[in-house]
Amino acid sequence: DGGITQSPKYLFRKEGQNVTLSCEQNLNHDAMYWYRQDPGQGLRLIYYSQIVNDFQKGDIAEGYSVSREKKESFPLTVTSAQKNPTAFYLCASRPARDRVYEQYFGPGTRLTVT
Amino acid sequence: EDKVVQSPLSLVVHEGDTVTLNCSYEVTNFRSLLWYKQEKKAPTFLFMLTSSGIEKKSGRLSSILDKKELFSILNITATQTGDSAVYLCAVEARGAGSYQLTFGKGTKLSVIP
Repeated sequence: DGGITQSPKYLFRKEGQNVTLSCEQNLNHDAMYWYRQDPGQGLRLIYYSQIVNDFQKGDIAEGYSVSREKKESFPLTVTSAQKNPTAFYLCASRPARDRVYEQYFGPGTRLTVT
Repeated sequence: EDKVVQSPLSLVVHEGDTVTLNCSYEVTNFRSLLWYKQEKKAPTFLFMLTSSGIEKKSGRLSSILDKKELFSILNITATQTGDSAVYLCAVEARGAGSYQLTFGKGTKLSVIP
């Protein structure tokens, strides 16, 4: 059963703590993406990776970090430097970086920082 | 800076009504326009449009792209309560060596019985 999994579904943290959100896909997709969604807003791109061991900043990368050590995995760390970390985080992937395909989304992680 | 604007931002209709959602864009190096449906969780893919004037259809939903006027519409006929969701429009364009999606803020559709 192929797809994208994100864990956990809900995450609560105290301010000042770093937290890592998991994203795994078994679709054999090359490209992976992290988005943030706030209420009443569309999705904003945080980081993306077109290939293993390579990633680029999106529009709102400040306060976040990522790694892409394996094709299947693209974890996102929300650091204490991120001023407003409470949001809904979505991971996505697509088959290839140089052809027209839609992005497939995981179920999301809702992060609350107090 | 790439921009995608959706209208209206919210819409309330009665079951059976027909609705039209709008998406206009300003991007450099356009490649495709996508529509997604989001119901409190992950967006689910509806349509991808790359060519002007060719309607894509799936059941009661249809969509068309106008690359000259830089907009797309999503039509839903005979709406049902299950159509209640946020509909997201996204445009894929070439950035610095890669393709990225820019999303609009979405249209929140509420269908009441």
